Amino acid sequence: EIVLTQSPGTLSLSPGERATLSCRASQSVSSSYLAWYQQKPGQAPRLLIYGASSRATGIPDRFSGSGSGTDFTLTISRLEPEDFAVYYCQQYGSSHTFGQGTKLEIK
Amino acid sequence: EVQLVESGGGLVQPGRSLRLSCAASGFTFDDYAMHWVRQAPGKGLEWVSGISWNSGSIGYADSVKGRFTISRDNAKNSLYLQMNSLRAEDTALYYCAKGENEVVVAATQLWGQGTLVTVSS
Repeated sequence: EIVLTQSPGTLSLSPGERATLSCRASQSVSSSYLAWYQQKPGQAPRLLIYGASSRATGIPDRFSGSGSGTDFTLTISRLEPEDFAVYYCQQYGSSHTFGQGTKLEIK
Repeated sequence: EVQLVESGGGLVQPGRSLRLSCAASGFTFDDYAMHWVRQAPGKGLEWVSGISWNSGSIGYADSVKGRFTISRDNAKNSLYLQMNSLRAEDTALYYCAKGENEVVVAATQLWGQGTLVTVSS
């Protein structure tokens, strides 16, 4: 099973700042089958990025994904108030597994 | 409007069974793989199972393999999860999720609001 480790566990930033979230896999993720999701309290997760770097429909261009192999990054270029949430990475190249999540909180 | 509505959750004793359902609308159901993902209270996401558009490809998490069975009825636009031999650690909010395309090897594009399963004596 591929284990995904997200860092940091909690990220404290202010609106307007840049956020960089990391997801590291225990083995290479085939064909960059890596997705990112956003979850707000009391809501279902929302797909942000698939295929490591493709934005899902309706996702603002301040969200971008990058990486390959075992190291992946989600970048939010300028934080808006609505971006503060929990973010999960998921690999779907070998079964499916999620990372443990990064909480992005307002500083 | 694309919609996924889960049902069938509730309180069940350890060792008993429960069947979850997911009613899909607003899209061509048999064009897409479907998944179940769960979230224990206050915890992260755990993929449970996925099924391809024609039920030809099915996968399970190791934690539920041999106990849970996923199925779909394309004529009824419905997804199911039969859960047997339930354990306390199966307590979670169970989400139904639509895949990106027809195969299981894809991200989950849209999620329902979930149905809560509580396993307790």
